[in-house]
Amino acid sequence: DAGVIQSPRHEVTEMGQEVTLRCKPISGHNSLFWYRQTMMRGLELLIYFNNNVPIDDSGMPEDRFSAKMPNASFSTLKIQPSEPRDSAVYFCASSLGTSGNEQFFGPGTRLTVL
Amino acid sequence: GQSLEQPSEVTAVEGAIVQINCTYQTSGFYGLSWYQQHDGGAPTFLSYNALDGLEETGRFSSFLSRSDSYGYLLLQELQMKDSASYFCAVGSGSARQLTFGSGTQLTVLP
Repeated sequence: DAGVIQSPRHEVTEMGQEVTLRCKPISGHNSLFWYRQTMMRGLELLIYFNNNVPIDDSGMPEDRFSAKMPNASFSTLKIQPSEPRDSAVYFCASSLGTSGNEQFFGPGTRLTVL
Repeated sequence: GQSLEQPSEVTAVEGAIVQINCTYQTSGFYGLSWYQQHDGGAPTFLSYNALDGLEETGRFSSFLSRSDSYGYLLLQELQMKDSASYFCAVGSGSARQLTFGSGTQLTVLP
């Protein structure tokens, strides 16, 4: 298995632009998580999906952030409009809901908003 | 909500043993996990404790005491490659979502 796949790996954009991050979870996993990591705030859970359904988006910082999971093999995290304070590494992770707490993380997308 | 506390930094020498402690406050507790993250990399799973006691996986062991809301990660026979950040995380909720601690930066010296 290729593991969790994220794209792009790096994104540099200007303030006000729309940013879309993509994630392909491990096949067969039924839970998907989006995290944001910064030096100041650490690793924060933004939103998670169970069986493609958003369960808890309380970690999404603002309405500028939205996430979708149209099918079991694809999810997007969108920021519109982006701001410099959104600069961070965004990780997607997937897991089998019944297998305890082992989550498999993708390589992350390093986002820089100028 | 959930909160976790762990030391920010630990330094040790090659071959030594180091223990990284984690205390937590949470509701709906499922278990305590540990993840390792090298600079520029993604977190990778190390261990999971749902029940009290010690879990051993090679050079790494993890301990949980639910009554004390406390756990630790024990790393033995330290190697240079063990230099990384180590995060404890508590699982809760229907999808066992994780809340991560702020991480402990381990530096292994020659």
